Amino acid sequence: EDQVTQSPEALRLQEGESSSLNCSYTVSGLRGLFWYRQDPGKGPEFLFTLYSAGEEKEKERLKATLTKKESFLHITAPKPEDSATYLCAVNMYRGTSGSRLTFGEGTQLTVNP
Amino acid sequence: SQTIHQWPATLVQPVGSPLSLECTVEGTSNPNLYWYRQAAGRGLQLLFYSVGIGQISSEVPQNLSASRPQDRQFILSSKKLLLSDSGFYLCAWVSPAGNTIYFGEGSWLTVV
Repeated sequence: EDQVTQSPEALRLQEGESSSLNCSYTVSGLRGLFWYRQDPGKGPEFLFTLYSAGEEKEKERLKATLTKKESFLHITAPKPEDSATYLCAVNMYRGTSGSRLTFGEGTQLTVNP
Repeated sequence: SQTIHQWPATLVQPVGSPLSLECTVEGTSNPNLYWYRQAAGRGLQLLFYSVGIGQISSEVPQNLSASRPQDRQFILSSKKLLLSDSGFYLCAWVSPAGNTIYFGEGSWLTVV
């Protein structure tokens, strides 16, 4: 069964305290792994897409990496405005049924000043 | 550029009343469209997806239905709402190459 698991469920950091969020997956036919940021009451905001093991992408204080079984979202020197829920999703090809997105439960990040 | 719109943004409906949430996409043709539901503090649950007009796949049995009357229009409906239908509903579009996902602004549904 295809699964996406994110850890931890919640993470509290002090401003400037770097850390990582994890997304592990057991899927076949992976067509991409996505990271999103979601603020309360809003739709998810796209951050990154990763396609193959060893790939890395960066945006400001965020860096996403991918292995064959998991992805990490590294947050370097976070600021309070980085507080949000971070969602991981995998895109699996389903032939004539098109792509299918499966989301993890998310990690709620709080950065205290 | 591609944009995706949902409405209404917020609604409060009594138990047993009907529901219609609408999603439209601009700037693309023949998109794969998805309806997700998100309970408070939880991840996104896939409800329906559609690869074309009139083609609907349901992921979980429930009180809801979906329709694709036009290429860029996706509608989520219910004949009689339940309390458990409350949540945040999100429409999404996946590019044919599967490398870009756009979400609508979301619709908050509260069933009372």
